[in-house]
Amino acid sequence: VQLVESGGGLVQPGGSLRLSCAASGFTFTNYAMSWVRQAPGKGLEWVSLISGSGNSTFYADSVKGRFTISRDNSKNTLYVQMNSLRAEDTAVYYCAKDFAYGDYLDSWGQGTLVTVSS
Amino acid sequence: EIVMTQSPATLSVSPGERATLSCRASQIVTSNLAWYQQKPGQAPRLLIFGASTRATGIPARFSGSGSGTEFTLTISSLQSEDFAVYYCQQYNHWPPLLTFGGGTKVEIK
Repeated sequence: VQLVESGGGLVQPGGSLRLSCAASGFTFTNYAMSWVRQAPGKGLEWVSLISGSGNSTFYADSVKGRFTISRDNSKNTLYVQMNSLRAEDTAVYYCAKDFAYGDYLDSWGQGTLVTVSS
Repeated sequence: EIVMTQSPATLSVSPGERATLSCRASQIVTSNLAWYQQKPGQAPRLLIFGASTRATGIPARFSGSGSGTEFTLTISSLQSEDFAVYYCQQYNHWPPLLTFGGGTKVEIK
């Protein structure tokens, strides 16, 4: 299993960013996927989950209405569109493979850093 | 939301000694509890799922126990590579709302 995130960077407050996660080594469409973030020097925070088909999505309250998770199973790629970004969204964002729907996370990418600052 | 509380925040242990980490859930999560290890600059790595089952490739010195609301991760004889931060995570909530504990840093005494 390999998960490779991309798309992080510096963005101004109120701005937008889309992160991607390229997956390989497993049958992507068979597994739910999650985004988890980690603010500098802090712990882990689950952000969002999407079912294998992409038909069901779930969000933490802290990002609901601002972030949109999606996937393209033809490209084995997971996405998160982040809008109305705030300073408190600054974090390393990890994509992770769910062992089962809403379950523990058995594989993680290396993360991509998002910095929200003016 | 199920709140996960880990203790202690920092644990100072000498190499070769046993380390015992605790995790408490604010509601019953049955055995739907995982433990992860994170080293500086690295992604988390799954250690334990189902409260007590070691993930693939995890050494036998790592063991998990507990059910309901109280859980323990034990490292029987600390090796140099085990000094890291450890997180518990529950996955008992539906609809899915995964929550992590605040972490326990295991440092060299």
